[in-house]
Amino acid sequence: KAGVTQTPRYLIKTRGQQVTLSCSPISGHRSVSWYQQTPGQGLQFLFEYFSETQRNKGNFPGRFSGRQFSNSRSEMNVSTLELGDSALYLCASSLGGPSSGNTIYFGEGSWLTVV
Amino acid sequence: QQQVKQSPQSLIVQKGGISIINCAYENTAFDYFPWYQQFPGKGPALLIAIRPDVSEKKEGRFTISFNKSAKQFSLHIMDSQPGDSATYFCAASSSSGYSTLTFGKGTMLLVSP
Repeated sequence: KAGVTQTPRYLIKTRGQQVTLSCSPISGHRSVSWYQQTPGQGLQFLFEYFSETQRNKGNFPGRFSGRQFSNSRSEMNVSTLELGDSALYLCASSLGGPSSGNTIYFGEGSWLTVV
Repeated sequence: QQQVKQSPQSLIVQKGGISIINCAYENTAFDYFPWYQQFPGKGPALLIAIRPDVSEKKEGRFTISFNKSAKQFSLHIMDSQPGDSATYFCAASSSSGYSTLTFGKGTMLLVSP
């Protein structure tokens, strides 16, 4: 069974540009969530989607957005990139049932460097 | 506001020793507490998880101890091996938070041969 797949794995962008990251969840998983990982702030929740609807959102500015498609694949977009957006962006998937405790599986992440 | 506090930041243990990482949480709505292991260049991988209705859970060399009244939980790695050298994150989530995890800051574990 394939795991969570994220593309691209590495990318370099210039300040002011925008970036789109993609995530394919584990087959059968309907919940996809995104996290930002930095050395200073650790792992921080960005947002979660379930059946194409944003179900939860973290404390990030509106420049960070996402969406989920009918096949559960998800994309996140960061507009007007800032140097501080350099981070590892992790996608995670789970079955996403109504109760918590569903095992959450992470992809290997997309490394974004903003110069 | 950091809702999950993790300590220590780093830890060096000799091969065969016991590694202990502690976490404390504030939100009493949390009802699921997983631990993740992350190797450099990789995403976090689930190690073991516990719910507050049990005080301890063991899987192989990994044990979670949970103290609901103190709002604390810890990971014990018995017979630590060099291959256990990684960063460990505790996390917490609540039923109302669906698949949202609140993470601790992480502990870098080095097991010396």
